[in-house]
Amino acid sequence: EVQLVESGGGLVQPGGSLRLSCAASGFTFNNYEMNWVRQAPGKGLEWVSYISTSGSTIYYADSVKGRFTISRDNAKNSLYLQMNSLRAEDTAVYYCARDQSHYYDSSAYYRPGYFDYWGQGTLVTVSS
Amino acid sequence: SYELTQPPSVSVSPGQTARITCSGDALPKQYAYWYQQKPGQAPVVVIYKDSERPSGIPERFSGSTSGTTVTLTISGVQAEDEADYYCQSSDSSGTYRVVFGGGTKMTVL
Repeated sequence: EVQLVESGGGLVQPGGSLRLSCAASGFTFNNYEMNWVRQAPGKGLEWVSYISTSGSTIYYADSVKGRFTISRDNAKNSLYLQMNSLRAEDTAVYYCARDQSHYYDSSAYYRPGYFDYWGQGTLVTVSS
Repeated sequence: SYELTQPPSVSVSPGQTARITCSGDALPKQYAYWYQQKPGQAPVVVIYKDSERPSGIPERFSGSTSGTTVTLTISGVQAEDEADYYCQSSDSSGTYRVVFGGGTKMTVL
């Protein structure tokens, strides 16, 4: 059974830092690209970051670029999100999500697939 | 920045057909995916690559595309289908970016 379990959320002051972890099991972790997706309270889904299987390719949403760092440890079947310079608007449930079915479009750009498994989420609250 | 537009809400009676639309300029060129999210739960994919249904998803869920609009259709709606639904796609720029629609709250009357 595929399982993704996030941890590391909590209350942090504006400007502070937090590191989220996602422990994966039930599948060959190093065969899958992974993502972080967040959801502010009562709001919609927002993609945060993507990492390739080896960790060599990384992408970020503009809203977190320069402040957040995604990484993975395939030996430990784990995904991470280091969050620095946190702001009130970063308050959200953070989900790790397994990636599936990327494709190349007609212009030969690599495009996102869909998220076939999600963790239960971890809540990050940025407040003084 | 690129946006996917969904209606905020849809209401449907049990047994009827619900249609939730998602509009975006790049949809003719990019795949769309649909997620169902119930309160307090993580999203679940119900349609991928515009119209494919993952294993375990009931046949009453289907997807279609026409021009710049993709549609999630739920036939014979059941009370358990009450949830938020999100479309996901990407733009056609050279930038890797996952975009979600704003979500549609479907109420089963």
